Amino acid sequence: DVKVTQSSRYLVKRTGEKVFLECVQDMDHENMFWYRQDPGLGLRLIYFSYDVKMKEKGDIPEGYSVSREKKERFSLILESASTNQTSMYLCESGGAGDNEQFFGPGTRLTVL
Amino acid sequence: QKEVEQNSGPLSVPEGAIASLNCTYSDRVSQSFFWYRQYSGKSPELIMSIYSNGDKEDGRFTAQLNKASQYVSLLIRDSQPSDSATYLCAVNRISSNTGKLIFGQGTTLQVKP
Repeated sequence: DVKVTQSSRYLVKRTGEKVFLECVQDMDHENMFWYRQDPGLGLRLIYFSYDVKMKEKGDIPEGYSVSREKKERFSLILESASTNQTSMYLCESGGAGDNEQFFGPGTRLTVL
Repeated sequence: QKEVEQNSGPLSVPEGAIASLNCTYSDRVSQSFFWYRQYSGKSPELIMSIYSNGDKEDGRFTAQLNKASQYVSLLIRDSQPSDSATYLCAVNRISSNTGKLIFGQGTTLQVKP
């Protein structure tokens, strides 16, 4: 019963490339979040969205943008990938109920 | 001062013992608190949420919240080797499970057979 999926588990890109990371949830959740997780820095919020076409910056939005055209899909875009964006990227989907928050499996992105 | 602080560990306990994981937070307006478990190479999984002062029990897990001391803890009774993981504490300023969470860096728990 997969609830949150991410487009790739592993991705290798070159500096300057445009990178798209997609997240899809099948629980009709309104809230979706993109984090990156780095050793020693923990989970840091990049962007989040409370509704279709709505987005808000998290703690580290620089170098990223997002798109939410449909409720079930939240995309993270790296306009021009840089080596310091090498990281594990995690999408989370959240509903209004108690304990109704689920992470996707993550995408490990390497930028060469 | 970090907004959410956890001892990185590792915390090592023998099988069958009680594991106690602690978390402090700096913002007094914080309203809701969450514990996630993350196995190596996997994504975090929400295991407990707590919103009111006191204890909340779910199976072998008990979350404890003390807003006056800005302290939240997770107790794992009868620890099993399968509980070995990193436990992340997260805090939200909004009194619900929506809104952005601030995560601690996590405490690594090792349960030895």
